[in-house]
Amino acid sequence: AQSVTQLGSHVSVSEGALVLLRCNYSSSVPPYLFWYVQYPNQGLQLLLKYTSAATLVKGINGFEAEFKKSETSFHLTKPSAHMSDAAEYFCAVSPDTGGGNKLTFGTGTQLKVEL
Amino acid sequence: EPEVTQTPSHQVTQMGQEVILRCVPISNHLYFYWYRQILGQKVEFLVSFYNNEISEKSEIFDDQFSVERPDGSNFTLKIRSTKLEDSAMYFCASSDLGGPQPDTQYFGPGTRLTVL
Repeated sequence: AQSVTQLGSHVSVSEGALVLLRCNYSSSVPPYLFWYVQYPNQGLQLLLKYTSAATLVKGINGFEAEFKKSETSFHLTKPSAHMSDAAEYFCAVSPDTGGGNKLTFGTGTQLKVEL
Repeated sequence: EPEVTQTPSHQVTQMGQEVILRCVPISNHLYFYWYRQILGQKVEFLVSFYNNEISEKSEIFDDQFSVERPDGSNFTLKIRSTKLEDSAMYFCASSDLGGPQPDTQYFGPGTRLTVL
């Protein structure tokens, strides 16, 4: 079975500060990892994904994540937070690429950006 | 940009009633999914659907639930006899069979189901 754990249900940063949202995974097979963002009253939007190519993955809106097998981690970072980054962020894992594979989500991290 | 749409955005129903949640996936996608998120909990997989058949379903997806693709554009989730614990946000998603993004599921904005 696969699972992801997101440390910190709420993270608060100042505008311009580094954003670090943590995700650790557990998987018996090589995992495929995703970060989704959910803005208020909207659906889940894909930020970035790791599918066994480069371990450092760049996504939209300046976010990136690094797959570290030794640490079973896939933390999401952004060098400089913007007010518009305030949202809920979900890490997810899938057993394979290709259509039809279910995503297993973490509990989410609510990011607050303060002036 | 194409998007997944869901209707209604909010549904209130009485316990024991049947509800149908509707989704219009992205038009060229062939895999369809339902997930749900109970308030304060994680997003949970319910079911995936391909070629007019269920591909995979979770333990949550019991006999009270059914999915259907009644025509070429809609994908529905039916709950036959709603329970209080069915109150949640229900997300529909779709993905492509192949192409450059076969592993990317595109999500709709969700339907908030409230069972009284």
